[in-house]
Amino acid sequence: QKEVEQDPGPLSVPEGAIVSLNCTYSNSAFQYFMWYRQYSRKGPELLMYTYSSGNKEDGRFTAQVDKSSKYISLFIRDSQPSDSATYLCAMTGAGSYQLTFGKGTKLSVIP
Amino acid sequence: DAGVTQSPTHLIKTRGQQVTLRCSPKSGHDTVSWYQQALGQGPQFIFQYYEEEERQRGNFPDRFSGHQFPNYSSELNVNALLLGDSALYLCASSLARQHSNQPQHFGDGTRLSIL
Repeated sequence: QKEVEQDPGPLSVPEGAIVSLNCTYSNSAFQYFMWYRQYSRKGPELLMYTYSSGNKEDGRFTAQVDKSSKYISLFIRDSQPSDSATYLCAMTGAGSYQLTFGKGTKLSVIP
Repeated sequence: DAGVTQSPTHLIKTRGQQVTLRCSPKSGHDTVSWYQQALGQGPQFIFQYYEEEERQRGNFPDRFSGHQFPNYSSELNVNALLLGDSALYLCASSLARQHSNQPQHFGDGTRLSIL
């Protein structure tokens, strides 16, 4: 079993839809959770960084962490064609400097 | 505010050769991490450098080595290249803080192709 599981998609939605992206993990030592967006031929761009369980909102993006279920989510409201990219979840534990990533979910937002 | 910069952007090598990739961290950052991203996969951690020393290493062979300079920039060296080393190599920088895990910011990577 991989430490971090993420459905690779692809996921295709119409413009304006709400998008839900998810990751599950098995390592209970993970305490810091991130979502990155990666456009084709570019490096990952940090979108959200969370520590505790619960929700964190930033504009159209909401990150949700449920440590009891070892499940994290990223919601994108009012999705735009410019949101078309691969979304990577990443996580790490206290005292560790290594990020463990999911495989990424490829999202297409259709105008 | 300059972000993480990497050079070169693309590189083609043949099996058995050696390669050096370079990274300048984001302004104000003192820690550099290197990741390997194969096509269709998430990045895999190679190692992290802080205060010019390797302080954590992932599951990569000794053919992968690195260096950090006093200005915090870093190099990744790979010896005896294999076809399987073909990947996007990403550098990430962060600011070391005691008792706190700081987010890592990535450059656009070096795409390495092995023939």
